[in-house]
Amino acid sequence: NAGVMQNPRHLVRRRGQEARLRCSPMKGHSHVYWYRQLPEEGLKFMVYLQKENIIDESGMPKERFSAEFPKEGPSILRIQQVVRGDSAAYFCASSSGQGDEQFFGPGTRLTVL
Amino acid sequence: GNSVTQMEGPVTLSEEAFLTINCTYTATGYPSLFWYVQYPGEGLQLLLKATKADDKGSNKGFEATYRKETTSFHLEKGSVQVSDSAVYFCALFHPSLGAQKLVFGQGTRLTINP
Repeated sequence: NAGVMQNPRHLVRRRGQEARLRCSPMKGHSHVYWYRQLPEEGLKFMVYLQKENIIDESGMPKERFSAEFPKEGPSILRIQQVVRGDSAAYFCASSSGQGDEQFFGPGTRLTVL
Repeated sequence: GNSVTQMEGPVTLSEEAFLTINCTYTATGYPSLFWYVQYPGEGLQLLLKATKADDKGSNKGFEATYRKETTSFHLEKGSVQVSDSAVYFCALFHPSLGAQKLVFGQGTRLTINP
C-alpha cells in the first residue's frame, strides 16, 4: 500500500513564476492537508480539503496561493508569482476521515531564485 | 488558541545517553498529543501518540506521558543511538468545528555522537 506521494521532490523557480505542487493521498484517503515548513521552523497548517471541497483554508496566505482536490487526480497546491519568501518545504498529509491519523508525504522543497 | 512549545535545540548527546526533550502545550479541553520524527531529507513520521490524560505513548524505545496537570508531553529515551539523530516535533490535535489541523512545535534537532 503506497504511502502519500508528492511530486516533484525538489522544485526551483525564479521570482514571478508559478509553482505547482502535487499530492496523491494514500489509497482510501479522501482528506488532504497541506503544511509549510520554513527553514528551521515547525510545520504550519495551510489548508484542509476533501474531494472537491476546501474545508479550512485559515492558514493560506490571502494572495497568490490556492489549493484544489478534484474528484479525480491529485491535490494541487498552486503558488502564483513566487517570491523568495515562498522558499520552504511543503508537506502534504492525508487521512481516511475527520480526526483520523494524518500520514505525511516526503515533501516538496521549493527554492525560489 | 492552541499552541505547542518545545525545548530549544540543537541537542547533542553521546551514544547511550539519556534523552529528554520537553514539550508543553496550551489548549482548551483534551487534545491528542503526538511526537513526530523527521530524518534528514525526509517527511515526518509519527513516532508515538497519546489521546487522553495519563496515557503513555511508546515506540522504538521512546516514551512520552500525557500530563494534564502540567500540560506537558515530554519525550524520553533511556539510551540513544546514532540512528536517533533527527528533528523531533511535538504536536497537538484538537478537533473542533472546521479545525482539523495539527499544531506543531518548532522542532528540536537532535545529534547523537558515537
